Amino acid sequence: TQLLEQSPQFLSIQEGENLTVYCNSSSVFSSLQWYRQEPGEGPVLLVTVVTGGEVKKLKRLTFQFGDARKDSSLHITAAQPGDTGLYLCAAGSSNTGKLIFGQGTTLQVKP
Amino acid sequence: EAQVTQNPRYLITVTGKKLTVTCSQNMNHEYMSWYRQDPGLGLRQIYYSMNVEVTDKGDVPEGYKVSRKEKRNFPLILESPSPNQTSLYFCASSYYQNHYEQYFGPGTRLTVT
Repeated sequence: TQLLEQSPQFLSIQEGENLTVYCNSSSVFSSLQWYRQEPGEGPVLLVTVVTGGEVKKLKRLTFQFGDARKDSSLHITAAQPGDTGLYLCAAGSSNTGKLIFGQGTTLQVKP
Repeated sequence: EAQVTQNPRYLITVTGKKLTVTCSQNMNHEYMSWYRQDPGLGLRQIYYSMNVEVTDKGDVPEGYKVSRKEKRNFPLILESPSPNQTSLYFCASSYYQNHYEQYFGPGTRLTVT
């Protein structure tokens, strides 16, 4: 069974601090996605990483795919209250339509 | 506006009373899927459909049924709901070629008493 494990599960920080969220697996994936979910809403896709070692930037968010395509990280620089939310990593099976999600990281950024 | 819609958004029902949660998308997506979200467990896939008349089980299909008679609609059916199906449910859709990149609906909060 493929699993995605996220850490930490909860993170409470002050505005302006940096943070990193990790998504790990023992399986190799062809791609990995990061989503953000705000209370009362569905998840929204932030990024897809495809190539081992790939780094993608979205404003203050930096996403990296591990060289072996088994893990990924999300780094936020100078966090702001608007970054508060649930961050989810996800990946799919390359030969079926199944998708799996990590259990999520709840981020709270205090002003 | 491109969107995935779900109805109802909130539902309280009793054990054993059949219910259907509807899902519709206007983006001509081939792939559609249902998830449930429970605290500490993230999103777990219930069923998915790669195209019309094609459905497959996800990780937690027990107690649920789906059908895909039209491309835009993918209803979730609970024939005999039980309290352990109390959860937040999301429908999602995507293009077949990039089916990992999902567009999610707003969610349906279901309580079974």
